[in-house]
Amino acid sequence: DIQMTQSPSSLSASVGDRVTITCQASQDISSNLNWYQQKPGKAPKILIYDVSNLETGVPSRFSGSGSGTDFTFTISSLQPEDIATYYCQRYDNLPPYTFGQGTKLEIK
Amino acid sequence: QVQLVESGGTLVKPGGSLRLSCAASGFTFSDYYMSWIRQAPGKGLEWVSYISGSASSIYYADSVKGRFTISRDNSKNSLYLQMNSLGADDTAVYYCARVANFDSWGQGTLVTVSS
Repeated sequence: DIQMTQSPSSLSASVGDRVTITCQASQDISSNLNWYQQKPGKAPKILIYDVSNLETGVPSRFSGSGSGTDFTFTISSLQPEDIATYYCQRYDNLPPYTFGQGTKLEIK
Repeated sequence: QVQLVESGGTLVKPGGSLRLSCAASGFTFSDYYMSWIRQAPGKGLEWVSYISGSASSIYYADSVKGRFTISRDNSKNSLYLQMNSLGADDTAVYYCARVANFDSWGQGTLVTVSS
């Protein structure tokens, strides 16, 4: 099965900072990668699908890039409401639709 | 609007069985693949199973294969997960999600496996 390696596992940043999370697939997954935000006690919410497409209603400070095996998720200017755990997910062809280990984002 | 509501989570003893349900509304349920995802306490997300709209295509994670069965009733707009031979490692919040870029999730239902 394809493994998804996400880093870092935790991150502390200040309001206004640029934040970057990476996700690496063990095999080429083309552009079939999603990013999710999960706040404590809540269900995950999709932010970005197919590497770089912003879900409707998601602020433009969130963005994604990459292809093949290496992907990046960026928050251009961190806001207090962005405190959450973020996950990448492989979503190509057939299951398993493996998630990355998650990145817990905190305010410094 | 799309709504997914899970139910059926409870405390169950090791080796026991449980059936989870997910009631869907706000979209044409039979048109969509659906999935179950779980999250153990304090841990990350784990994809569990997936079923096509017609139930002709079904997949499971290796961790649940042979123990869990996914099904759906399109006449009732409902998704199910039958869980057998439960162990402590199955303790988690179970979410159902619509597999259209996983764009909609339920609120989750907690399954606790403990004696």
